[in-house]
Amino acid sequence: ETGVTQTPRHLVMGMTNKKSLKCEQHLGHNAMYWYKQSAKKPLELMFVYSLEERVENNSVPSRFSPECPNSSHLFLHLHTLQPEDSALYLCASSRERSGELFFGEGSRLTVL
Amino acid sequence: DQQVKQNSPSLSVQEGRISILNCDYTNSMFDYFLWYKKYPAEGPTFLISISSIKDKNEDGRFTVFLNKSAKHLSLHIVPSQPGDSAVYFCAARSLNSNSGYALNFGKGTSLLVTP
Repeated sequence: ETGVTQTPRHLVMGMTNKKSLKCEQHLGHNAMYWYKQSAKKPLELMFVYSLEERVENNSVPSRFSPECPNSSHLFLHLHTLQPEDSALYLCASSRERSGELFFGEGSRLTVL
Repeated sequence: DQQVKQNSPSLSVQEGRISILNCDYTNSMFDYFLWYKKYPAEGPTFLISISSIKDKNEDGRFTVFLNKSAKHLSLHIVPSQPGDSAVYFCAARSLNSNSGYALNFGKGTSLLVTP
């Protein structure tokens, strides 16, 4: 496997469910990111991890909880989401935080 | 407040002609600019970039131009091919004193290249 892989690719959940999105990178990068892409909006940076330490949290509601157990894996734990949280969630990685991001294919989330 | 703007949500170009995608930004501290390309059901992929100290970068059919005084950059694709049909995102890098570099993205422009 190469690049950045995300699972699941599609997720439908109720507002009371707890689920997790998983991201794995095989590029030897040491920075990982969660972005949110909603319709007709720019990609929104949610969280940044550098060397497994969270270095940025862009005022994301606490119902989104990231976890980075090591430099290759990143999770986004979801709990009591709202329908407006339905979006494409993209994971990315980069070598340090120099700029060029490598994205996964995204997890399409629908909250009913 | 959106710092990177792509004011054209869509663009249609005939195969073989030039595609020009535009991007405007407001933050004069951006030091590096990138274009990403995204096909449906796939993540964005890096296409081309330019440093703020340059005004042009060329890679095959793709050229990015940067006009710092106008805070404007553009992506030229010549000649356009049907396989270029995708959404193109402009991104600009800023340096945060607390957390390091971050990329700011535009909303994207959907390019359709017709045969």
